[in-house]
Amino acid sequence: QVQLVQSGVEVKKPGASVKVSCMASGYTFTDSYFHWVRQAPGQGLQWMGWINPHSGDTNYPEKFQGRVTMTRDTSTNTLHMEMSGLRSDDTAVYYCAKFLTGYVGAFDIWGHGTLVIVSS
Amino acid sequence: QSVLTQPPSASGTPGQRVTISCSGSSSSVGSNSVNWYQQVPGTAPKLLIYSSNQRPSGVPDRFSGSKSGTSASLAISGLQSEDEADYYCATWDDRLNDLVFGGGTKLTVL
Repeated sequence: QVQLVQSGVEVKKPGASVKVSCMASGYTFTDSYFHWVRQAPGQGLQWMGWINPHSGDTNYPEKFQGRVTMTRDTSTNTLHMEMSGLRSDDTAVYYCAKFLTGYVGAFDIWGHGTLVIVSS
Repeated sequence: QSVLTQPPSASGTPGQRVTISCSGSSSSVGSNSVNWYQQVPGTAPKLLIYSSNQRPSGVPDRFSGSKSGTSASLAISGLQSEDEADYYCATWDDRLNDLVFGGGTKLTVL
């Protein structure tokens, strides 16, 4: 079945960068866009952007432009999300999610999440 | 402050029907379809409703969605203890050029 397996917990200092990975299995990797969503402790969900795994094209909301880079490796069916200039308020669980093609904002498969802790 | 407004909490007894509202604007809910997610604490969100009123396969028909104007609703009938979770609405906002979520509603089954 379709599965998204994410990398493990990361602990970073303020100002550092983090790279979170998400490996897809169980279907054709390039058939669907992928999105990243994060959730700060006790807070709601926040959309971070998408990547087209076929072309590598990306789209980020203004709040993350210049700080977030999404890439993919089609040889290993893996997505990566790198965030630079980390701040304490970037502490959150970061999810990758598969887009349900044709339905904006609908993500039918989610990774289990990667906790990123930013602390001095 | 979320762009989409949801009540912070809702509750009901087993078997009851509960509705959760999601209020937006003409550029968000008024112009785009709405999706609903269920999240049990400590786990990833699960898609419950997409395109305002469509259920993915495997989601019980106890869950239904609707949209009218700038508001959307999620209804849960025949409430069960396993429905206790956080529920989020999500849609695209044309003015913000962003995918926006509601602040979430914590459903308690009494």
